[in-house]
Amino acid sequence: KAGVTQTPRYLIKTRGQQVTLSCSPISGHRSVSWYQQTPGQGLQFLFEYFSETQRNKGNFPGRFSGRQFSNSRSEMNVSTLELGDSALYLCASSLAASGGRNEQFFGPGTRLTVL
Amino acid sequence: GESVGLHLPTLSVQEGDNSIINCAYSNSASDYFIWYKQESGKGPQFIIDIRSNMDKRQGQRVTVLLNKTVKHLSLQIAATQPGDSAVYFCAEKNTGNQFYFGTGTSLTVIP
Repeated sequence: KAGVTQTPRYLIKTRGQQVTLSCSPISGHRSVSWYQQTPGQGLQFLFEYFSETQRNKGNFPGRFSGRQFSNSRSEMNVSTLELGDSALYLCASSLAASGGRNEQFFGPGTRLTVL
Repeated sequence: GESVGLHLPTLSVQEGDNSIINCAYSNSASDYFIWYKQESGKGPQFIIDIRSNMDKRQGQRVTVLLNKTVKHLSLQIAATQPGDSAVYFCAEKNTGNQFYFGTGTSLTVIP
């Protein structure tokens, strides 16, 4: 069974641009969560999608948005990029929504660098 | 707000020794905890989890201990191997069903 895949793996953008990251969960998994990982802040929760609906949202500005498609693939978008958005963006999938005890499987991440 | 901290940012152990990685959490209502391992260039990998109605859970070479009284979580790795070298994170799930992660402890195994 293939794991969680994220594309692209690396991305370089400049301030003010926007970016879209993609995540394909493990087959059969319906929940996708996104996290931002930086050296100083660790992993911070962005949002969770389940069956195309946003279930939870972390404390990030509205420039960060996401969506989930009917095949459970998810995208996240960051508009008007800032230098501080440089980070590793991780996607995690699980069978069900995070309301229960569910193991999350992480992808390798997308390394975003904002210049 | 939530706070999940780790007592030591780095830990070095001799191969074959046991490792103990500690984690403190702040929300006494958190009911589910996970330990993850993250190797360089990879995403976090699930190691072991524990619910708040338990105080100990064992896996293969790993044991998680939960002390709800002092809001402390620990991961014990038996007979540490070079392949165990990685960053270890604890995560708590709060009543809002969000996961909060610590910043991680970097474990180095000395051959």
